[in-house]
Amino acid sequence: AQKVTQAQTEISVVEKEDVTLDCVYETRDTTYYLFWYKQPPSGELVFLIRRNSFDEQNEISGRYSWNFQKSTSSFNFTITASQVVDSAVYFCALSHSGGYNKLIFGAGTRLAVHP
Amino acid sequence: DAGVIQSPRHEVTEMGQEVTLRCKPISGHNSLFWYRQTMMRGLELLIYFNNNVPIDDSGMPEDRFSAKMPNASFSTLKIQPSEPRDSAVYFCASSSGTLGEQFFGPGTRLTVL
Repeated sequence: AQKVTQAQTEISVVEKEDVTLDCVYETRDTTYYLFWYKQPPSGELVFLIRRNSFDEQNEISGRYSWNFQKSTSSFNFTITASQVVDSAVYFCALSHSGGYNKLIFGAGTRLAVHP
Repeated sequence: DAGVIQSPRHEVTEMGQEVTLRCKPISGHNSLFWYRQTMMRGLELLIYFNNNVPIDDSGMPEDRFSAKMPNASFSTLKIQPSEPRDSAVYFCASSSGTLGEQFFGPGTRLTVL
């Protein structure tokens, strides 16, 4: 069975702190994709990153970075020097291998960044 | 470029009424997805279309739900008759190809009284 676990339900930090959002996944597939989406208070879902299972290189995009470790089935997301605008619910997702990107979402982590 | 467009953004209706949600995918995308988001169940896929053809509707909860994609630029999700437990935010997403990243619309918040 495929499953995504985001154990942190809510995280609260003060602006400029670094914060890491955890994501652990389960799959028996050897080829799969992992995603992160952001859902700000306005409600839309914003695509952040996609990673395939053969690419374990860490990725950095501005203040955002992602750490993919197949050995621990984790795909963690770090925000450096957090800002109030980072306040949102963040979802990790895993694609199903049934020939298309059927996304299995985690429950989400609500991040609150306080000034 | 326009993103995925959904209408209406908010819908309030009474139990038993028919509800139709609409989606216009990003131009050039050939895959379309309908999702539902609730507090209890989170984000769940309802149905997936590829090149206007329904490929996987295993997530459609009941026969009261139906979806169509008459052409590459338009899809509908219909609930008939609606029930209070259908209250949720319904998202439409599109992607280029079957393995491309999905881009989501703003969602339709449905309230069934």
